[in-house]
Amino acid sequence: DVKVTQSSRYLVKRTGEKVFLECVQDMDHENMFWYRQDPGLGLRLIYFSYDVKMKEKGDIPEGYSVSREKKERFSLILESASTNQTSMYLCASSSLQGTSDNEQFFGPGTRLTVL
Amino acid sequence: EDQVTQSPEALRLQEGESSSLNCSYTVSGLRGLFWYRQDPGKGPEFLFTLYSAGEEKEKERLKATLTKKESFLHITAPKPEDSATYLCAVRNPYSGGGADGLTFGKGTHLIIQP
Repeated sequence: DVKVTQSSRYLVKRTGEKVFLECVQDMDHENMFWYRQDPGLGLRLIYFSYDVKMKEKGDIPEGYSVSREKKERFSLILESASTNQTSMYLCASSSLQGTSDNEQFFGPGTRLTVL
Repeated sequence: EDQVTQSPEALRLQEGESSSLNCSYTVSGLRGLFWYRQDPGKGPEFLFTLYSAGEEKEKERLKATLTKKESFLHITAPKPEDSATYLCAVRNPYSGGGADGLTFGKGTHLIIQP
């Protein structure tokens, strides 16, 4: 089974801190994604990557950056955390050569609170 | 701008009471409509992908259908374990880079009472 893991289930940080959220997938997927999920707003795409060192902005990239140095790992970075970045962060991966469903596989999420 | 609208926001059913969830979408050139299930505190779990009007897919008590403007998730004789939030999403327009994210609706929170 595809497994997407995220480094923390819960994280509490202070305003202005630099925050790293890590995501690892074990199925050799080319594509990786970061979303945030907020009540009343649903899931929104922050950044995605289709190859090592490649990245593309999603719908809400402001205040975030990403890093993909290895195929299996995709990191989301909050350069200077702010309270409006308190959210559930979800990582996902998918394969370029996968099934016809083209599904994304999601991790369990990291609930980040910025105080 | 592409949009995905789900209705109702919440639905409470009795066990065995069949119903349908709606997902309306506006996108130029649909490249896939996805249904996911999400349990509290967990990541979304993939259910179905539909690509063209008239397509249908089934899994246990769930059946997804697609028209040119909307998709329905039909739940037949639901059980309490079907309680979850059901998310609909469309694949974003081709970005040229080999991967595309999803645009999600806000979900339908389904509760099945015993």
